[in-house]
Amino acid sequence: GAGVSQSPRYKVTKRGQDVALRCDPISGHVSLYWYRQALGQGPEFLTYFNYEAQQDKSGLPNDRFSAERPEGSISTLTIQRTEQRDSAMYRCASSLIWRGGSYNEQFFGPGTRLTVL
Amino acid sequence: TQLLEQSPQFLSIQEGENLTVYCNSSSVFSSLQWYRQEPGEGPVLLVTVVTGGEVKKLKRLTFQFGDARKDSSLHITAAQPGDTGLYLCAGAGNQFYFGTGTSLTVIP
Repeated sequence: GAGVSQSPRYKVTKRGQDVALRCDPISGHVSLYWYRQALGQGPEFLTYFNYEAQQDKSGLPNDRFSAERPEGSISTLTIQRTEQRDSAMYRCASSLIWRGGSYNEQFFGPGTRLTVL
Repeated sequence: TQLLEQSPQFLSIQEGENLTVYCNSSSVFSSLQWYRQEPGEGPVLLVTVVTGGEVKKLKRLTFQFGDARKDSSLHITAAQPGDTGLYLCAGAGNQFYFGTGTSLTVIP
């Protein structure tokens, strides 16, 4: 079956512009996660959803970052007024339902490489 | 703040050699996972360990969870070029925490 997909795969934008990154999870996966990953480093947790409800957004760096999942499927991570320091790989993952402290298998998408000029 | 520190950060070895990667934390985790990430791809789950002292084997890979559930190790026997990649430990609290990563290169 289809895995997690993300679009666009590459995004180049100018400082100050807004960007929207899309994630389409595996069908039937209730939990959806957003991460930011620097080259050669582990993913940094940003936020996650169960169904359409955002469970934890404490990992979002500042209020320029927001995420939504209005129908409990596709999710969008939006960065407003982008800055050069926002340049990174943004990864989405999905899984069967996850509740904090437990474990399950996350399936990752290919990521969106964001470059802010 | 990185809750999970991995060592070494980089490792380059010859095919056939053995190696161990360490994942350490000051926090207790109910479980730890190990993922492998190949260039250009997302991480893929290798194993989950849930009991203190647990040892799991996956072919040439041996995973151990520390008795106090604060640390874990990954041992690879007779490394092969296909083992090349970024190895990540991960633990779940209120968020999901990934380790700092170990980049392994196995030279043919």
